[in-house]
Amino acid sequence: EAGVTQFPSHSVIEKGQTVTLRCDPISGHDNLYWYRRVMGKEIKFLLHFVKESKQDESGMPNNRFLAERTGGTYSTLKVQPAELEDSGVYFCASSQVGRGYYGYTFGSGTRLTVV
Amino acid sequence: AQSVTQLDSQVPVFEEAPVELRCNYSSSVSVYLFWYVQYPNQGLQLLLKYLSGSTLVKGINGFEAEFNKSQTSFHLRKPSVHISDTAEYFCAVKGSQGNLIFGKGTKLSVKP
Repeated sequence: EAGVTQFPSHSVIEKGQTVTLRCDPISGHDNLYWYRRVMGKEIKFLLHFVKESKQDESGMPNNRFLAERTGGTYSTLKVQPAELEDSGVYFCASSQVGRGYYGYTFGSGTRLTVV
Repeated sequence: AQSVTQLDSQVPVFEEAPVELRCNYSSSVSVYLFWYVQYPNQGLQLLLKYLSGSTLVKGINGFEAEFNKSQTSFHLRKPSVHISDTAEYFCAVKGSQGNLIFGKGTKLSVKP
């Protein structure tokens, strides 16, 4: 089966610009998570979708970040406007409902650099 | 609040030597623990997990970890490392809301 796919793999944008990251979860995985790792720090939870609904968005840093999950399939994470501190690696993960405690399948991440 | 502490940010070791990567956790709920590995330019891959039962957990690539409730630890071990084990390793605990709480990671560098 195909894994979790994220693109772009890298993105370099200027401060103030908008960037949209995309995640395609494993087919049939209703749980979808976004995480972020800022350089030198922990990987931190951003939000959790169950199908198209936001289950938990307590980790979203501020209202410059907008996540959507169209039709319960792929998800996008938009940063608008981007700030320097948004630089980092953004990971997406997915799991089947009720099986999240077995561990999630992560994508390769998107490395975002804001200059 | 739950948290994970990885005591070593970097661990250099020679090939074929044993290695232990340390992880301590703090949790007031049922404990589910994980180790993930990130090879260069790749995503996070699940190495092993502890959900319940035997405290010694075996994972992929010859790694194992031992859950120690009294010491709140979940150290990762391998008796003989290879160059290909060079990667960053992350310990994580499942949070009360279902998300994962990660440590800061340990970079394992295996030298010939």
